[in-house]
Amino acid sequence: EAGVTQFPSHSVIEKGQTVTLRCDPISGHDNLYWYRRVMGKEIKFLLHFVKESKQDESGMPNNRFLAERTGGTYSTLKVQPAELEDSGVYFCASSPAGGRGGYTFGSGTRLTVV
Amino acid sequence: AQKVTQAQTEISVVEKEDVTLDCVYETRDTTYYLFWYKQPPSGELVFLIRRNSFDEQNEISGRYSWNFQKSTSSFNFTITASQVVDSAVYFCALSVRVTSYDKVIFGPGTSLSVIP
Repeated sequence: EAGVTQFPSHSVIEKGQTVTLRCDPISGHDNLYWYRRVMGKEIKFLLHFVKESKQDESGMPNNRFLAERTGGTYSTLKVQPAELEDSGVYFCASSPAGGRGGYTFGSGTRLTVV
Repeated sequence: AQKVTQAQTEISVVEKEDVTLDCVYETRDTTYYLFWYKQPPSGELVFLIRRNSFDEQNEISGRYSWNFQKSTSSFNFTITASQVVDSAVYFCALSVRVTSYDKVIFGPGTSLSVIP
């Protein structure tokens, strides 16, 4: 089965611009998660979708971040406007409904804001 | 509270030395999962191992070995005969149940530098 796919793998944008990251979970996985690791710090939870609904968005840093999962398939994470401190690696993960044992992570999108 | 502690922020070793990365976790759940991930300089997260709370058998995979001890809530990771390619940030993680879904909590990571 195909894994979790994220693109772009790298993105370099200027401060104030908008960037949209995309995540394609494993087909059939109801749960989709976004995490990020910024500035060499720890990996932090951003939010969790169950199908198209936001189950937990307690980790979203501020209203410059908008996540969507239309139709319960792929998800997008938009940063608008991007700030320097948003630079880091954004990870997406998915898991099946009711599944135990953690998730499958994508390879991440490295975002650099200059 | 659910928490993962990796007390070693940075470690440097000379190639071919053995190195152990420490991980201590906290959870009240009786069923949970523990993981180790590697993040090389290229940025992706590389899955290394998953262990469930009922399986305390230690595991060896090539130069890698893991020591899981529930009595001390530790899940330590040893690299034998380290190589330069092992240089990366290593994350220990804990997966616990939150209502109807799993949530993965990461430790702060240990940055390992293997010097040739």
